[in-house]
Amino acid sequence: DAKTTQPTSMDCAEGRAANLPCNHSTISGNEYVYWYRQIHSQGPQYIIHGLKNNETNEMASLIITEDRKSSTLILPHATLRDTAVYYCIVSGIRSNDYKLSFGAGTTVTVRA
Amino acid sequence: GAGVSQSPSNKVTEKGKDVELRCDPISGHTALYWYRQSLGQGLEFLIYFQGNSAPDKSGLPSDRFSAERTGGSVSTLTIQRTQQEDSAVYLCASSFLDRGNIQYFGAGTRLSVL
Repeated sequence: DAKTTQPTSMDCAEGRAANLPCNHSTISGNEYVYWYRQIHSQGPQYIIHGLKNNETNEMASLIITEDRKSSTLILPHATLRDTAVYYCIVSGIRSNDYKLSFGAGTTVTVRA
Repeated sequence: GAGVSQSPSNKVTEKGKDVELRCDPISGHTALYWYRQSLGQGLEFLIYFQGNSAPDKSGLPSDRFSAERTGGSVSTLTIQRTQQEDSAVYLCASSFLDRGNIQYFGAGTRLSVL
C-alpha cells in the first residue's frame, strides 16, 4: 500500500543542487509530506515536512505542487556527506495515523 | 545526551532465546515508536506508544513480540523464542505529537540470531 513513488537512484555532483522528486497522487487533505534520509548504518534523520505551502529550513527546501500530488526536495548545495537514502513519506497527523511508512526511497550518491 | 538512546547497540543470541531491547526517548516526548529494518529492506513499523498505552500494535509480526513503556519514558521491546528471521536492526523513535510529529530516531540495535 505504497503511498509514494520515488526514483530508485540518482547521482549528483558535489556543490550542485540535488532535486529529488516524489509522487503522492493519493494524498488526502489531512496528510503531510515528510522527508527523511538514512545515511549508511545510521537511524533515519528528519529533513523537512509540509502540508501545502513550500517550506525551507537549514537543510533543504520542499516544493509541493498546488494539487499536492507531487513534491520535490531540494538540497541546495550537495556535499559528499549528503550521500544517503532519501525517503518521501505521507502521514496523517490529524487522522490518527502517526506511523511513518517507509518505502524503498531514492539512493542519492553525491560525487566529487 | 539529548537524542534517542538505544541499548544494546549489538546483540547476538541463539535461536530460541528471549531478548530485550531498550529505548530511552528524548525527554518529554509523548510518542514512541518501534521499527525494524531487515538487511537490504526498508523500515517496517512495529508498534506505537502514546504515553504508556499502545494504540497501534498492528506491526508486531507475531505474538512472540511484545513491548511496554513505563512512566511515559523508557520502552522495552521483548522478543521471545527468537528465530533467525528476527535478525534485523530494531529502531526506536520518539516525537511530540502536537508539534508536527517529527520523529527522532536512535541508532538502533542490531540483532543477530544464530
